[in-house]
Amino acid sequence: GENVEQHPSTLSVQEGDSAVIKCTYSDSASNYFPWYKQELGKGPQLIIDIRSNVGEKKDQRIAVTLNKTAKHFSLHITETQPEDSAVYFCAASLSGGYQKVTFGIGTKLQVIP
Amino acid sequence: ETGVTQTPRHLVMGMTNKKSLKCEQHLGHNAMYWYKQSAKKPLELMFVYNFKEQTENNSVPSRFSPECPNSSHLFLHLHTLQPEDSALYLCASSQGVMDNEQFFGPGTRLTVL
Repeated sequence: GENVEQHPSTLSVQEGDSAVIKCTYSDSASNYFPWYKQELGKGPQLIIDIRSNVGEKKDQRIAVTLNKTAKHFSLHITETQPEDSAVYFCAASLSGGYQKVTFGIGTKLQVIP
Repeated sequence: ETGVTQTPRHLVMGMTNKKSLKCEQHLGHNAMYWYKQSAKKPLELMFVYNFKEQTENNSVPSRFSPECPNSSHLFLHLHTLQPEDSALYLCASSQGVMDNEQFFGPGTRLTVL
């Protein structure tokens, strides 16, 4: 089955700096890679996703990159703000049919004002 | 809010108790999921329901018993739990099991004494 590794487990950055979270996956057939943000007391919320037919996707201050050859993908947050503080999860699955979504262990991001 | 509600938000129970967790989605989705979230572990998929029918039981012990009376409601009945079952239990829904984007509820924080 799929195995997703995520690092770092914790990350502290100064407000305004960039944050990068990296994930690797094991199943080369995986083609859908979502990122979730979980704030304290809430469930995970999808913030951005990428499919294997593209290498990069941006949405305002967040971007995700995918390297299919190396089987890794990354989340980039620029100009971080205190409200970005949360736990971020990466995940991998197949699209186009039901397949279990495999999640990473999570990265706790702290943005220091 | 994501359109997925869970009650109760917190639950403390003894090992001999019987309790139930409730999830309701207001999104018109057809697929619903139960996940277990434990500290320092990836999200673990427990059960999947599609149009009220269970399509996946991820080797979950029988002390957890799901029920899906309709596409909008999902229950998790608990009995004779163990302390290691203490965790955050998350409910999620998606348009269908073929749709990768899942919407999560806020979770029920369960403590088993």
